[in-house]
Amino acid sequence: EDQVTQSPEALRLQEGESSSLNCSYTVSGLRGLFWYRQDPGKGPEFLFTLYSAGEEKEKERLKATLTKKESFLHITAPKPEDSATYLCAVLRSNDYKLSFGAGTTVTVRA
Amino acid sequence: EPEVTQTPSHQVTQMGQEVILRCVPISNHLYFYWYRQILGQKVEFLVSFYNNEISEKSEIFDDQFSVERPDGSNFTLKIRSTKLEDSAMYFCASSTTSSQPQHFGDGTRLSIL
Repeated sequence: EDQVTQSPEALRLQEGESSSLNCSYTVSGLRGLFWYRQDPGKGPEFLFTLYSAGEEKEKERLKATLTKKESFLHITAPKPEDSATYLCAVLRSNDYKLSFGAGTTVTVRA
Repeated sequence: EPEVTQTPSHQVTQMGQEVILRCVPISNHLYFYWYRQILGQKVEFLVSFYNNEISEKSEIFDDQFSVERPDGSNFTLKIRSTKLEDSAMYFCASSTTSSQPQHFGDGTRLSIL
């Protein structure tokens, strides 16, 4: 069975304090790994797709990387508006469904 | 920017009643999905739909559930006889292809009394 594990569960940062979130996965035949941001009471908002080991994607203060076993989401110099739950999800070959991790809730204090 | 829209935002229903959740996917998308998230738990896949038929479904998606694309723009999830454990946020999503990102709506909060 596919396993997607995110750590830590929660992260409290001071504004400007950079950090990384981890998503480790065990899946046969990874087709893609997706990062989403979810604000309270809202649906997941798409951030990045990574398709192969070594790939990196960047957007503003966020950078996502992928290896054969895990993905990292790096937050550089975060601001309070970066506070959210960040979700990792995997898509397996020949599947249609995303398998989600439990998420990391990030709180950035001014 | 195009978005997935869901109605209603909150639905309160008596146990045993039928409920229909509605979604308007992004217009050029061909793949449609329903997920649910019970409070405090992971987002869980329910069903995917392509070319007017179910392409994959989870164990959760039993005979009480059905999906339909009644016209060119709407995508619906029906629960025939709701149970207390059906209380959750239900998210609709859509994508251009099966490997492209799935874009989610803001969900319908379903409360079963």
